[in-house]
Amino acid sequence: DGGITQSPKYLFRKEGQNVTLSCEQNLNHDAMYWYRQDPGQGLRLIYYSQIVNDFQKGDIAEGYSVSREKKESFPLTVTSAQKNPTAFYLCATCPGGATLNTEAFFGQGTRLTVV
Amino acid sequence: AQKVTQAQTEISVVEKEDVTLDCVYETRDTTYYLFWYKQPPSGELVFLIRRNSFDEQNEISGRYSWNFQKSTSSFNFTITASQVVDSAVYFCALSEENYGGSQGNLIFGKGTKLSVKP
Repeated sequence: DGGITQSPKYLFRKEGQNVTLSCEQNLNHDAMYWYRQDPGQGLRLIYYSQIVNDFQKGDIAEGYSVSREKKESFPLTVTSAQKNPTAFYLCATCPGGATLNTEAFFGQGTRLTVV
Repeated sequence: AQKVTQAQTEISVVEKEDVTLDCVYETRDTTYYLFWYKQPPSGELVFLIRRNSFDEQNEISGRYSWNFQKSTSSFNFTITASQVVDSAVYFCALSEENYGGSQGNLIFGKGTKLSVKP
């Protein structure tokens, strides 16, 4: 089955804990992205990677970290430094190097709740 | 600065009604791309359409149609004869070629929640 797999679907985190959200793709796309969605808000870019072993900060990178050791995988770590992590997180991929002029493909998201 | 405005937060219609979702954008660039995505309750975003700034032709795909007007910086989306399965959040998005900030970033509007009642 081709596509993007995000796991887990629901995640609960205690205050002060780091958690890692998984994003795996078998579409052979170069570019991968992490977006955050808050209720009533559009999506905001956290980090993106256009090639293995390289990634760039997006608009709201503070309190998050990523790695891109394999083309297929782009995990996102929500650190304790992120003051308000409760949100819906979406991973996306894009063929070529950017979302500039091609459609992006999205995973089904991870809903993170701080308890 | 680049910006996408979807002024309609929520719209509720009865099945078979036509509905138009508005999208107004701001950009400094002459080359840009506009998108519509659908987010059903399951959460993933589904691509609907892409339009580049040089192509002002309107497009129709089944019950869906899009009206791109550069003069008013609008890219509106109409669903004809709406169905319950059209219930979702719809996002309009913009990507600029030369002033994208984070390269290739999609700038999203806040979305319009469409509820179609039987």
